[in-house]
Amino acid sequence: AQSVTQLDSQVPVFEEAPVELRCNYSSSVSVYLFWYVQYPNQGLQLLLKYLSGSTLVKGINGFEAEFNKSQTSFHLRKPSVHISDTAEYFCAVYSGGYQKVTFGTGTKLQVIP
Amino acid sequence: GAGVSQSPSNKVTEKGKDVELRCDPISGHTALYWYRQRLGQGLEFLIYFQGNSAPDKSGLPSDRFSAERTGESVSTLTIQRTQQEDSAVYLCASSSHNEQFFGPGTRLTVL
Repeated sequence: AQSVTQLDSQVPVFEEAPVELRCNYSSSVSVYLFWYVQYPNQGLQLLLKYLSGSTLVKGINGFEAEFNKSQTSFHLRKPSVHISDTAEYFCAVYSGGYQKVTFGTGTKLQVIP
Repeated sequence: GAGVSQSPSNKVTEKGKDVELRCDPISGHTALYWYRQRLGQGLEFLIYFQGNSAPDKSGLPSDRFSAERTGESVSTLTIQRTQQEDSAVYLCASSSHNEQFFGPGTRLTVL
C-alpha cells in the first residue's frame, strides 16, 4: 500500500518569514510526488511535481520541494511568504505499481501580517 | 474541452432524496477520481476508475454511494437517500498518467 502523511494540520507563520510544510510518504515502489494548493473558495491546482532527475523541484509562486528518498520525504519550502500564500496545501504520491494517486490530509498555511 | 468540468456547480436537496453528480474528464485521460471535501477539511477519496479495470471503490462511505463511468468518458456519482452529513463539495479529477487535473467541484447541500 502507499500512504502520505502531512504532520501539521495547521501552520501559522508571519509574513516574510520562511516556511516548511512537511510531507512523508510510504511506498514499496518508485514514486512520483506532488504538491497541490487550494486557495480559499477555489479548486485545487498543481504547485509542483517530482517525476525524476534533480531532487530539488521548483514550482509556482516561489515554492520549492526536495525529494529525499532515504527519508521518504518531500517537504515544501518557501524562503519568504506573502499574505496571498494563505491556503491549504496537499501532498500526493503516485506509484506505477498501484497506478493510483493518494493524497495527504492537507496543511492549512495561515500567513499573519 | 480544455479542462475537467462538473455539473451542477451547486445542488440543494432535501434529506432522503437521490442526487446525481456529473463529471466530464479531459479527453484521453484514462483515470478518473471522485473525492469529497467537507467544510474546512481535507480530501476524502471516494472511488477511482482506471481504463477498463474494475473500479477501486474502497473509499465509498456507504452503500448509498455509487458511481459509474462509461469507457474513458463521463462519470456520474449517485447518492441515494441523502443525509445531512453528505453535505460537502464533491470533486472530480482526471489524469493520463500521474498528474491530476481537478474540476471545480459540485457543492451539495442537504437540508
